[in-house]
Amino acid sequence: DSGVTQTPKHLITATGQRVTLRCSPRSGDLSVYWYQQSLDQGLQFLIQYYNGEERAKGNILERFSAQQFPDLHSELNLSSLELGDSALYFCASSVELGPVNNEQFFGPGTRLTVL
Amino acid sequence: AQKITQTQPGMFVQEKEAVTLDCTYDTSDPSYGLFWYKQPSSGEMIFLIYQGSYDQQNATEGRYSLNFQKARKSANLVISASQLGDSAMYFCAMRGVNQGGKLIFGQGTELSVKP
Repeated sequence: DSGVTQTPKHLITATGQRVTLRCSPRSGDLSVYWYQQSLDQGLQFLIQYYNGEERAKGNILERFSAQQFPDLHSELNLSSLELGDSALYFCASSVELGPVNNEQFFGPGTRLTVL
Repeated sequence: AQKITQTQPGMFVQEKEAVTLDCTYDTSDPSYGLFWYKQPSSGEMIFLIYQGSYDQQNATEGRYSLNFQKARKSANLVISASQLGDSAMYFCAMRGVNQGGKLIFGQGTELSVKP
């Protein structure tokens, strides 16, 4: 158990809908990362927050948005869902921002299926 | 641009034998870290081992060791004495000092351990 929690574990929805994925980082971790794992794209970085502020953006679609709240939990909002958004969405957390040896602890993931 | 390449989509190894999973990388960052993660069929991402670009010695963690050849830009994972529980997807990842906190992942290698 990495200490990172994600809810829900599974999510099935229809095209055009909107969903919210939730992540609670490990106690004491200030940095939260979101990744998407799909069969065609592999594991891709989406977005990073550090202590409530957005710090880096990757290949995140405009239909997707995220935020980190004062209690450090984070939410990833996916709207106008398409079939291609079906994927495993991971949240990861780490203590600090800078050091390259900063291990990221991954949550169990949320498996999103868009029908 | 940063890139991780894992050229072995799938590999087989006999139980109790050693296996090497290949990883090459490309980066212009002066300092970077290299990570290996294991993803069993259950889906979670498990951190295995880390190597810093300025580390003088190759990293080792139990049965896992990292064969780091900086001039060749390779960071191969060696698993000794393979066990049936080692059957999983293995991902090589990199974090550059100028890239914020994000990890860049390779496409992964599926390892199957045969009894």
